[in-house]
Amino acid sequence: DAGVIQSPRHEVTEMGQEVTLRCKPISGHDYLFWYRQTMMRGLELLIYFNNNVPIDDSGMPEDRFSAKMPNASFSTLKIQPSEPRDSAVYFCASSGTEPYEQYFGPGTRLTVT
Amino acid sequence: GESVGLHLPTLSVQEGDNSIINCAYSNSASDYFIWYKQESGKGPQFIIDIRSNMDKRQGQRVTVLLNKTVKHLSLQIAATQPGDSAVYFCAVGGGSNYKLTFGKGTLLTVNP
Repeated sequence: DAGVIQSPRHEVTEMGQEVTLRCKPISGHDYLFWYRQTMMRGLELLIYFNNNVPIDDSGMPEDRFSAKMPNASFSTLKIQPSEPRDSAVYFCASSGTEPYEQYFGPGTRLTVT
Repeated sequence: GESVGLHLPTLSVQEGDNSIINCAYSNSASDYFIWYKQESGKGPQFIIDIRSNMDKRQGQRVTVLLNKTVKHLSLQIAATQPGDSAVYFCAVGGGSNYKLTFGKGTLLTVNP
């Protein structure tokens, strides 16, 4: 299995631009999680989906952030407009029959200047 | 809300020694506990988990101990190897959703 796939691996953008992060979960997994990791705040859950439906988005910082899961094999996290404080590593994770046993992708390092 | 902390932000050990990484949590309703390993530039990697109905679980070279009375979790790594050098996170979950709350992490450095 290829594991969780994320793209791009690195993204550098200017403040105000739209950023789209992509994730392909492990085949057969029906839970998908988006996390953000910073030195100051550690690893934080932003949103998670079950069977493509958003279950809990209470961690999404503000309206500038949105996430979608149009099908079982693809999810996006969009930031519009981006701000310097959004700079972080964004991880996607998926899980199957044991929802807590989450498998993480390699992450997208986002830098907003 | 849930908070998860670590007693030691860094731990340095000699190759071959045993390592113990500790974690405290605050929510007594937590019932699922996981340890993750994160190497530089990579995503967290699942190591071992334990449910609240257990107090010990062993894996390959790793043991997780859970003390629900004092809300404390530990990860023991036997015969630590240079490849074990990484940041270790505890994560705690429970309740009707599958949200995990992660600790801040402990950096383990193994000296050859």
